[in-house]
Amino acid sequence: GDSVTQMEGPVTLSEEAFLTINCTYTATGYPSLFWYVQYPGEGLQLLLKATKADDKGSNKGFEATYRKETTSFHLEKGSVQVSDSAVYFCALSDRNFGNEKLTFGTGTRLTIIP
Amino acid sequence: DAGVIQSPRHEVTEMGQEVTLRCKPISGHNSLFWYRQTMMRGLELLIYFNNNVPIDDSGMPEDRFSAKMPNASFSTLKIQPSEPRDSAVYFCASSPGTGGGQPQHFGDGTRLSIL
Repeated sequence: GDSVTQMEGPVTLSEEAFLTINCTYTATGYPSLFWYVQYPGEGLQLLLKATKADDKGSNKGFEATYRKETTSFHLEKGSVQVSDSAVYFCALSDRNFGNEKLTFGTGTRLTIIP
Repeated sequence: DAGVIQSPRHEVTEMGQEVTLRCKPISGHNSLFWYRQTMMRGLELLIYFNNNVPIDDSGMPEDRFSAKMPNASFSTLKIQPSEPRDSAVYFCASSPGTGGGQPQHFGDGTRLSIL
């Protein structure tokens, strides 16, 4: 079945550091890929998405590129801020009609120190 | 546009009591999902509906849990009787339901504590 593996946390960085959170996936079909962010006390928010190979999703300075050859969707940001402290989830959705479920990774907790 | 609305935001009750969590999906969304999040097990899908019909309830932990979607704008998740191990944050999410590959939109969750 489908699965998502993301790097173990927690990750602690200093403000303005470069961020990479690794995500790889296994899927039988040709999935859409997502990054969600969860701030303390809130629900998951869609951060960015990509629906086909070589697509780059971007939002709020974060980027991720859909790499079919390496089955990866790594999240990057060039200069993190304290406000980026949150839990980040990688997820995929099978594109077959009738299957609406998302498969999530376990989440990576990110803490940014001033 | 209004997002997914869940109520209550917090619920504290004693074991054995019935608990009802409520969700209003985004208008026009045809799929609705209930999740449970705990430190130990992470984010778990409990059940999802499409066009008000339960499609997959394989994540529902046991018969004490039940979910309904009487119409397109409302769903409930009920626990009866509740137990301390049911303590968690419960999220509702909705998506357009027009096929796979769509993102889900989450509510802010209900933090449930069973004493």
